[in-house]
Amino acid sequence: QLQLQESGPGLVKPSETLSLTCTVSGGSISSSSYYWGWIRQPPGKGLEWIGSIYYSGSTYYNPSLKSRVTISVDTSKNQFSLKLSSVTAADTAVYYCARHRSDSSSIFWFDPWGQGTLVTVSS
Amino acid sequence: SSELTQDPAVSVALGQTVRITCQGDSLRSYYASWYQQKPGQAPVLVIYGKNNRPSGIPDRFSGSSSGNTASLTITGAQAEDEADYYCNSRDSSGNHPFGGGTKLTVL
Repeated sequence: QLQLQESGPGLVKPSETLSLTCTVSGGSISSSSYYWGWIRQPPGKGLEWIGSIYYSGSTYYNPSLKSRVTISVDTSKNQFSLKLSSVTAADTAVYYCARHRSDSSSIFWFDPWGQGTLVTVSS
Repeated sequence: SSELTQDPAVSVALGQTVRITCQGDSLRSYYASWYQQKPGQAPVLVIYGKNNRPSGIPDRFSGSSSGNTASLTITGAQAEDEADYYCNSRDSSGNHPFGGGTKLTVL
């Protein structure tokens, strides 16, 4: 059964770069037809898609975050990573990673999800 | 537009049927997926595509779509269905926005 696990610092200072890694187990990150995505949820608020990456490295990002986001993949470690630069308190959130699937040009979904990790931006 | 709009809150009597809706222009071209999130837990996929349920999701959950509106229907709501529900879709620019979420209360 495919499982995803987020890891990284739980506290980041304002203006610094948030870095998280998602480790995939129970399956290969290099499987075709799959993208791998990051989603976040500020405390008490809704979900926000951050971006997704294909195992080959092609990416697409939320336009509102694009200037600060980099998502990369390491197929040798079965991991993909998120970097968010110049963080502020508004970036405080639970960050989730998830497999991002499609079986046609009009059907997309996220499944499964990692358990999430809380990142707090504070000095 | 890449926005998806959901009613903030919906309530249903135990055992009755409830429909949660998601509106957006992108839904005319792309199907929605639906996620259930209980407090302190990660979201769980409940419906994707035309009306597909992942393994383990009860058949009281179903999905439909018409024009710019996607719907998640729970037929015979149970107490354990009380949760936040989010829709998600793709837009023409390749983005994948989520709706604002609907808090479902089972009375």
